[in-house]
Amino acid sequence: QVQLQESGPGLVKPSETLFLTCTVSGYSISSSYYWGWVRQPPGEGLEWIATIYHGGSAYYKASLKSRVTISEDVSKNQLSLNLRSVTAADTAVYYCVRGDALAIASFWGQGILVTVSS
Amino acid sequence: EIVLTQSPGTLSLSPGERATLSCRASQSGNGKYLAWYQQKPGQTPRLLIYDASTRAPGIPDRISGSWSGTDFTLTISRLEPEDFAVYYCQQYGTSSGNTFGQGTKLEIK
Repeated sequence: QVQLQESGPGLVKPSETLFLTCTVSGYSISSSYYWGWVRQPPGEGLEWIATIYHGGSAYYKASLKSRVTISEDVSKNQLSLNLRSVTAADTAVYYCVRGDALAIASFWGQGILVTVSS
Repeated sequence: EIVLTQSPGTLSLSPGERATLSCRASQSGNGKYLAWYQQKPGQTPRLLIYDASTRAPGIPDRISGSWSGTDFTLTISRLEPEDFAVYYCQQYGTSSGNTFGQGTKLEIK
């Protein structure tokens, strides 16, 4: 049974960089599927952030592209998200997801709440 | 970027009734690549429908999706107590514009 576990800081200061990791167990991220990140501000809706496919193809939400990098570490079977110059608007639960197609989320991690505040 | 508009914002129905949720795309960008998710309070979203009308594994057949042009519909034929939740549609499959709708809350009347 595949499991996705997000990890990272729960609190980040404005203008700093948020770095999140998703550790995948039960499946090798290099085998197949699209892997990505979706976020949800408290009490609000869902927002797709980025997706990566093994081999390096990365896709980003247009409005976030200048601040976001998604990457994979096959040796650790991990997915990472790097979000630069954060503001309060980046406060959200960040979900690691797996999909059968680009940006679809067939399987979700439990999510991690990240608060941007000084 | 395609904008997905869901309606109604809130739908109040009773168990046993039929629910019809709408998701309209601002343009016909990505064909049938639309998904529906269900999210209950305090839980992670769950994929219900993909490719506009294909049920995800384990989803009961009283839940169905359809589409015509830029209009997508999620139908729950007979509401069960566990169906009351928030539903999101999502266009996927594009390099940068994989947007979600704002959600429809299905509540018990």
